[in-house]
Amino acid sequence: ETVLTQSPAILSLSPGERATLSCRASQSVGAYLAWYQQKPGQAPRLLIYDASNRATGIPVRFSGSGSGTDFALTISTLEPEDSAVYYCHQRINWPLTFGGGTKVEIK
Amino acid sequence: QVQLVESGGGVVQPGGSLRLSCAASGFIFSSRGMHWLRQAPGKGPEWVAYVRYDGSSKYYADSVKGRFTMSRDNSKSTTSLQMNSLKSEDTSIYYCAVLEGATTAWGRGTLVTVSS
Repeated sequence: ETVLTQSPAILSLSPGERATLSCRASQSVGAYLAWYQQKPGQAPRLLIYDASNRATGIPVRFSGSGSGTDFALTISTLEPEDSAVYYCHQRINWPLTFGGGTKVEIK
Repeated sequence: QVQLVESGGGVVQPGGSLRLSCAASGFIFSSRGMHWLRQAPGKGPEWVAYVRYDGSSKYYADSVKGRFTMSRDNSKSTTSLQMNSLKSEDTSIYYCAVLEGATTAWGRGTLVTVSS
């Protein structure tokens, strides 16, 4: 099973700051990695697919990078509405897996 | 616009069965593999099952293998998840989803509670 390890578990930053979230895979997932944002009571929302492609309607402040086993999600300028849990997900190795999540708190 | 609508959730006793359904629209259903995922209260998402676009291949998470069966009906653009021998740890919101890069979409989910 491909284990996805996300760090940090919690990120507490102020509005306007830059956030960098990490996702490390236990084996290569190529570029088949996605990032999701989830707010309480809502389904996960796709932000980034295939490592670096922004999904439809996602603000440009969200960007993804990486390939193989090391990936990052960057939020260039934090907005109050970015407070959420962020998950990475790989869809190339069975079983499909998700990371444990990074909670982003806005001070 | 891709739309996925799940139904069939509810409260069931341990050892019981439940059948979830998902109605799809807004894309060519017969050309896409479909997934079921779930999320237990306070936990992250967990992949559960997959069926290939033509139904010829299916994959299951170890946690549900032998108990859950996924199927699809391309003539009706629907997919189903038959869940048997349910356990308390199956309590979750269940989502159907397409997970194919730019064509990625999740439904709103349906809640399954396994409790006596």
